[in-house]
Amino acid sequence: GQNIDQPTEMTATEGAIVQINCTYQTSGFNGLFWYQQHAGEAPTFLSYNVLDGLEEKGRFSSFLSRSKGYSYLLLKELQMKDSASYLCAVTDSNYQLIWGAGTKLIIKP
Amino acid sequence: ETGVTQTPRHLVMGMTNKKSLKCEQHLGHNAMYWYKQSAKKPLELMFVYSLEERVENNSVPSRFSPECPNSSHLFLHLHTLQPEDSALYLCASSQSTEGRYEQYFGPGTRLTVT
Repeated sequence: GQNIDQPTEMTATEGAIVQINCTYQTSGFNGLFWYQQHAGEAPTFLSYNVLDGLEEKGRFSSFLSRSKGYSYLLLKELQMKDSASYLCAVTDSNYQLIWGAGTKLIIKP
Repeated sequence: ETGVTQTPRHLVMGMTNKKSLKCEQHLGHNAMYWYKQSAKKPLELMFVYSLEERVENNSVPSRFSPECPNSSHLFLHLHTLQPEDSALYLCASSQSTEGRYEQYFGPGTRLTVT
């Protein structure tokens, strides 16, 4: 079967750096997405990786290793507003999107 | 504002009621989706429409009935629901159904079935 694994919950301190990992086992691979979802709100797109390596976008970066079935989202200079759930999703060989359950990130002052 | 709106935002209904959820996208996208989101579970894809044609139905019970009258509007008709159907129902749209395109989500309808 197809599976996306990410930690259920993480805690970090304001101003620090946090890395949220995502591992996947899917039938084929055609890209990996990260979305952010604040409590009670819609998920919003953060990043898309289809090639190996690091993509940087401001305070957020996303890394992909296709050979390891692994990605991470790196958040720098954490702010209280970064408290949210972070969803990892992979597009399989049929271009269907497979979603992880999300990682709830709690930022403490 | 993501360009996708949903109404109502909150809905409480009894198991014998009939109600409808509405979604509208203002992005000119060709694909629209219904998802169910339950606590601590992955997003569950319910229905996918491409240019008003249903392309996927992931074994959803018949008490959920989608309707897509045009590429900008999507409805989810609900009848004789069960308490376990209580969840957040999200609508999304994307440029096409190919999974390489990011999806834009509406704010969701929080449904409670009593």
